Amino acid sequence: NAGVTQTPKFQVLKTGQSMTLQCAQDMNHNSMYWYRQDPGMGLRLIYYSASEGTTDKGEVPNGYNVSRLNKREFSLRLESAAPSQTSVYFCASSVSPSGTQETQYFGPGTRLLVL
Amino acid sequence: AQSVAQPEDQVNVAEGNPLTVKCTYSVSGNPYLFWYVQYPNRGLQFLLKYITGDNLVKGSYGFEAEFNKSQTSFHLKKPSALVSDSALYFCAVRDMGGSYIPTFGRGTSLIVHP
Repeated sequence: NAGVTQTPKFQVLKTGQSMTLQCAQDMNHNSMYWYRQDPGMGLRLIYYSASEGTTDKGEVPNGYNVSRLNKREFSLRLESAAPSQTSVYFCASSVSPSGTQETQYFGPGTRLLVL
Repeated sequence: AQSVAQPEDQVNVAEGNPLTVKCTYSVSGNPYLFWYVQYPNRGLQFLLKYITGDNLVKGSYGFEAEFNKSQTSFHLKKPSALVSDSALYFCAVRDMGGSYIPTFGRGTSLIVHP
């Protein structure tokens, strides 16, 4: 099992450009998450999908959109990138969003630099 | 509302000595508590969790954590530190009766000196 995979690993964008971060998991998990990690800020949840067909905003959703393409894939789109979106982005998945099965499994991350 | 605090940005310990990484939390109801570890340029890895039951939780790599409801703490411990334990450690909490969104602490950098 590859677990949670993310592409690309690193990206440089100019302000105003758009891009989509891809995430896939092969663990048959129901729930998927997108976080951003900034120095001194810990992890902040951008969006999550409790199950296929549903998405919900997290703590910092502004400037982002998501698509739960199918059970395996959950993409994050930046429509018009801003320097404030320079960060490391992590995708995660869990069997379910609650109870004993909400342990999250994280991908390796995407480092995004917006100039 | 839920929150979690990791009061130390960095913890330094000598190899072979016991280590403690502190975490305190605040929730309205009962907590789900987690510890994750992040090695350089890697994603987070699950270490252990408290959902219910025994207050002492044992996890991966010899780590354990003690849930203390009266002190609202969930400190991570290991009896004998290894240099390879050097990493960034995150505590996370979710209110059992709340939303599905977990709150992560800011992380504590553990440095184990040879």
